[in-house]
Amino acid sequence: EAGVAQSPRYKIIEKRQSVAFWCNPISGHATLYWYQQILGQGPKLLIQFQNNGVVDDSQLPKDRFSAERLKGVDSTLKIQPAKLEDSAVYLCASSPPTGMKTQYFGPGTRLLVL
Amino acid sequence: AQKITQTQPGMFVQEKEAVTLDCTYDTSDPSYGLFWYKQPSSGEMIFLIYQGSYDQQNATEGRYSLNFQKARKSANLVISASQLGDSAMYFCAMREGGNTGTASKLTFGTGTRLQVTL
Repeated sequence: EAGVAQSPRYKIIEKRQSVAFWCNPISGHATLYWYQQILGQGPKLLIQFQNNGVVDDSQLPKDRFSAERLKGVDSTLKIQPAKLEDSAVYLCASSPPTGMKTQYFGPGTRLLVL
Repeated sequence: AQKITQTQPGMFVQEKEAVTLDCTYDTSDPSYGLFWYKQPSSGEMIFLIYQGSYDQQNATEGRYSLNFQKARKSANLVISASQLGDSAMYFCAMREGGNTGTASKLTFGTGTRLQVTL
C-alpha cells in the first residue's frame, strides 16, 4: 500500500513570495491533515479535512495561508505572502475512517524563507 | 496548560539496553488515544504504538511497549534491546475523543532525542 505522498520535498523562497505544497493521502483515507513543525517543536495542526470539507482550521493563519481539497483526495496548502517565521517542515497526514484512526504521515516539505 | 509533556530533551542508551521515554498528558475527556511516533533525521513521522484510554492492557508492538498509568496520566514508551537505528526524535501525542465519528487532531509534545551508542 502506498503511503502519503508530498511534494516538493524542499523549497527555498524569499519573504513575500508565494509557495504551494501538494499532498496525496493513502487511498481510502477520508481525513487529511496539514501540520506545521517548527524546528525543535512538535507538529502543530494547521487544518483538517473530512473528505472535501474543513473540520478544523482554527490555527490556520488565514491572512496568508489557504488550503483546499477539492475532490476529497489530493490537497494543496498555499502560503502567500511568506514570512521568515513560516520556515518549517509542513507535514501532511491521513487517517482511515474506522478503527483507532491512526494518522499516517508523509515525508514532509522543508520550507526555508529567506 | 500543556496537554502533552515530555520532560527529557535528550536521552542516551547503549546498544541492546532498554530505555524509557517519559510522557505525561492532561485531558478532561474520558475518551482519548495516546500515540508514539518516531522521527528520524529524514523528517518523516513513523507511527510506533497506540494506547486507548479504555484499553485494559498495556500496548505492545515488537520491541516497543507503552507503560500506561491512567491515574498518573502517564504513557511512557519503553524500547527494549535498543539498536543503532533507533536513534531519532520520539514524539508522544494525544487525540481527544473516541474512535467513533470524525477523528480529531493530534496534540504533540516537544519530543525526546534518543541517541543509541555502541
